[in-house]
Amino acid sequence: DSGVTQTPKHLITATGQRVTLRCSPRSGDLSVYWYQQSLDQGLQFLIQYYNGEERAKGNILERFSAQQFPDLHSELNLSSLELGDSALYFCASSRIQQNLRGGYTFGSGTRLTVV
Amino acid sequence: GENVEQHPSTLSVQEGDSAVIKCTYSDSASNYFPWYKQELGKRPQLIIDIRSNVGEKKDQRIAVTLNKTAKHFSLHITETQPEDSAVYFCAATPSGGSNYKLTFGKGTLLTVNP
Repeated sequence: DSGVTQTPKHLITATGQRVTLRCSPRSGDLSVYWYQQSLDQGLQFLIQYYNGEERAKGNILERFSAQQFPDLHSELNLSSLELGDSALYFCASSRIQQNLRGGYTFGSGTRLTVV
Repeated sequence: GENVEQHPSTLSVQEGDSAVIKCTYSDSASNYFPWYKQELGKRPQLIIDIRSNVGEKKDQRIAVTLNKTAKHFSLHITETQPEDSAVYFCAATPSGGSNYKLTFGKGTLLTVNP
């Protein structure tokens, strides 16, 4: 167990639907990152939150949104789902230090299948 | 923004041989370079990292080298074992402030044949 908890582990939904993925960071970590992993695109950065505020944004679609709550857990909302959104979605957390010692800790991911 | 290129995309070696995976990065401000190993169906896990003030770092059979001038860093695995078979990702970030966004390479599928 990495300490980063993602739920659900698997999600199957139909096109056009909306889903919410949840992430609880490792205790003490203030920063949460969301990544999308598909077979041909590797780990694509979506968005970062730090202590409740958005800090960096990647190639996140307008149909996707995220937030980080006061208890530091984060949710990634995916709407108007398309077949191409099927992927593994990872959440990672880190302690913000001067030198990012130890990198990220990843959760186990949510596998989203859009049918 | 940062762009990380990783080669090769697949690598097959015999058990006991060495494996080398190479990455280049574009942002000269990048100063932290981790490597992650991802086994099938599992989460990426940090295996080694290096900062820009160091040229080489070793941890048992794994080593990473960094050439800041060339913006190039490499992962070296010696005496490979079947359990080293996995996808390996390099990454880079100009860490500072509260933004530590890692940009990943596309990964290398390493297969170690017994």
